[in-house]
Amino acid sequence: AQSVTQPDIHITVSEGASLELRCNYSYGATPYLFWYVQSPGQGLQLLLKYFSGDTLVQGIKGFEAEFKRSQSSFNLRKPSVHWSDAAEYFCAVGEGGADGLTFGKGTHLIIQP
Amino acid sequence: EAGVAQSPRYKIIEKRQSVAFWCNPISGHATLYWYQQILGQGPKLLIQFQNNGVVDDSQLPKDRFSAERLKGVDSTLKIQPAKLEDSAVYLCASSSWDSLTDTQYFGPGTRLTVL
Repeated sequence: AQSVTQPDIHITVSEGASLELRCNYSYGATPYLFWYVQSPGQGLQLLLKYFSGDTLVQGIKGFEAEFKRSQSSFNLRKPSVHWSDAAEYFCAVGEGGADGLTFGKGTHLIIQP
Repeated sequence: EAGVAQSPRYKIIEKRQSVAFWCNPISGHATLYWYQQILGQGPKLLIQFQNNGVVDDSQLPKDRFSAERLKGVDSTLKIQPAKLEDSAVYLCASSSWDSLTDTQYFGPGTRLTVL
């Protein structure tokens, strides 16, 4: 069975500092990997996705993520965070873009002024 | 392009009552999903429809939850009777199923509180 682990429940980062959110997955075949962001009272918004090809994927809002098969990881990064990045971030894995997703428990990002 | 629509946005009921949620997917999207998101957790897939057929309902508590997607467009999710542990946000998502590289688009969710 597939699973996703996000080891950090909360992360606090100063505005302007760099960010890395960790995601580890368990999946038998080639995974389809996603990062979503959820702001309070909002639905989930897709930041980026990885299906195949270049292991460094670029997303919206200046985010990027790197797929490392040897480490079963798909960490999310941003070089400089803004106060508006404060939100809940979810990593997810699926068998395909249109299949049901398995989500991690999320990482709550807090931005310090 | 209009997004995924859900209603109501909020619902408060007492345990053992019934409740229904409605979802209208993005126009033309053949695949529709219902997820349950309990506070502090990630969303969990309850059921997936392809047009008006069920693809996966392995995690749907069928003794109290039911869902339908008549005519392959909008969908309703029902809970009868509700329990305290059903308090959660119910998210609807849709995708076009054009290829394996498609993306799921989520609605704003319905927040259910069971007292």
